[in-house]
Amino acid sequence: DTGVSQDPRHKITKRGQNVTFRCDPISEHNRLYWYRQTLGQGPEFLTYFQNEAQLEKSRLLSDRFSAERPKGSFSTLEIQRTEQGDSAMYLCASSLVAHRGDEQFFGPGTRLTVL
Amino acid sequence: GENVEQHPSTLSVQEGDSAVIKCTYSDSASNYFPWYKQELGKRPQLIIDIRSNVGEKKDQRIAVTLNKTAKHFSLHITETQPEDSAVYFCAASGSIKAAGNKLTFGGGTRVLVKP
Repeated sequence: DTGVSQDPRHKITKRGQNVTFRCDPISEHNRLYWYRQTLGQGPEFLTYFQNEAQLEKSRLLSDRFSAERPKGSFSTLEIQRTEQGDSAMYLCASSLVAHRGDEQFFGPGTRLTVL
Repeated sequence: GENVEQHPSTLSVQEGDSAVIKCTYSDSASNYFPWYKQELGKRPQLIIDIRSNVGEKKDQRIAVTLNKTAKHFSLHITETQPEDSAVYFCAASGSIKAAGNKLTFGGGTRVLVKP
């Protein structure tokens, strides 16, 4: 395991359906972040975990979004009742606090298209 | 919350020339400033970062400068090559303890290096 992985890489769904994405961080990284990136924009913070605890959620994360990291390793991001405005690239990143402090390593992303 | 602005949004340079991208931030508590390079369809990759206790950092052809008083930082790429063509994002984050070092990104600069 040499990097952050995400699955699936692409997801096409119809409006109103639920979708779930998975992120596997770099082994032993204790922090895991979710960001959303729309075309031509920088990534926007959604939420982050330290181990299994979800410590902060952005106001961008409506009640249709939920994220978990049950065992402090992989994480899932679920979007319920998808809307066309949810179409974006969902990026996961991980870091190891106390090792180079802040560097976040990004995964390849899951591109969501809501029809 | 933190706000990061990035200029220019596009930059076209001749191969061998220098490229400069500038960012400003709003939160004086921010103390970590990474730069990411994102090629089309790929994940953001960290290329250089700087912490608030340093004014300048250099790594081969790239350098970053930080002016904490003015709350701005810049990326300098010298002797540009076609493979430097990509979108570059600046970001800022606060202390690990205070804000979980979530990253606030600028809007990105699309750099095109013409051979």
